[in-house]
Amino acid sequence: KNQVEQSPQSLIILEGKNCTLQCNYTVSPFSNLRWYKQDTGRGPVSLTIMTFSENTKSNGRYTATLDADTKQSSLHITASQLSDSASYICVVNSYQAGTALIFGKGTTLSVSS
Amino acid sequence: GAVVSQHPSWVICKSGTSVKIECRSLDFQATTMFWYRQFPKQSLMLMATSNEGSKATYEQGVEKDKFLINHASLTLSTLTVTSAHPEDSSFYICSALYTSGNNEQFFGPGTRLTVL
Repeated sequence: KNQVEQSPQSLIILEGKNCTLQCNYTVSPFSNLRWYKQDTGRGPVSLTIMTFSENTKSNGRYTATLDADTKQSSLHITASQLSDSASYICVVNSYQAGTALIFGKGTTLSVSS
Repeated sequence: GAVVSQHPSWVICKSGTSVKIECRSLDFQATTMFWYRQFPKQSLMLMATSNEGSKATYEQGVEKDKFLINHASLTLSTLTVTSAHPEDSSFYICSALYTSGNNEQFFGPGTRLTVL
């Protein structure tokens, strides 16, 4: 069964600190993996997209990694800001599923001052 | 990046009434759009795939007669929740498929539906 598991479920950090969010997937075949940021009451906004051949991609203070062999991905946030407080969702696109996306449940990040 | 809008951003209605939600791709044409529903602290759940000029494809368990989808143009898809009930209260999010190399979906800001 195609699944995307994220950990931790929630995380609280102090402003300025770094953090890493994890994503494990069992989706096959694999097309690409995306990380989205979803603010409360808003739609998801894309942070990174990685295909099979890419193992790291950065977008400002966000750096995503992908290990296609172990089917694991991480999202690293450096020098966190209060505005980083949101839900971070790992999403995998499977060729078999066409353009349908398989969503993780997300990690809720709270950055406090 | 590509922009997708939704209207309204929130709506409150009485039980038994119908509500229409619009999804527009503002700066690109989208042959395919998707409708999702998200309950509190849950992930997005795909409801249906909307294809311009043809019937929508519904996911298992989603009532097509209750959630009417129309994709009459390359920039607009509508979702009508018919005879809404309190259990239909949810956050509805659309996305539009941007047919680049990664076939990326761009999401709208969502519509909060509350049925009294």
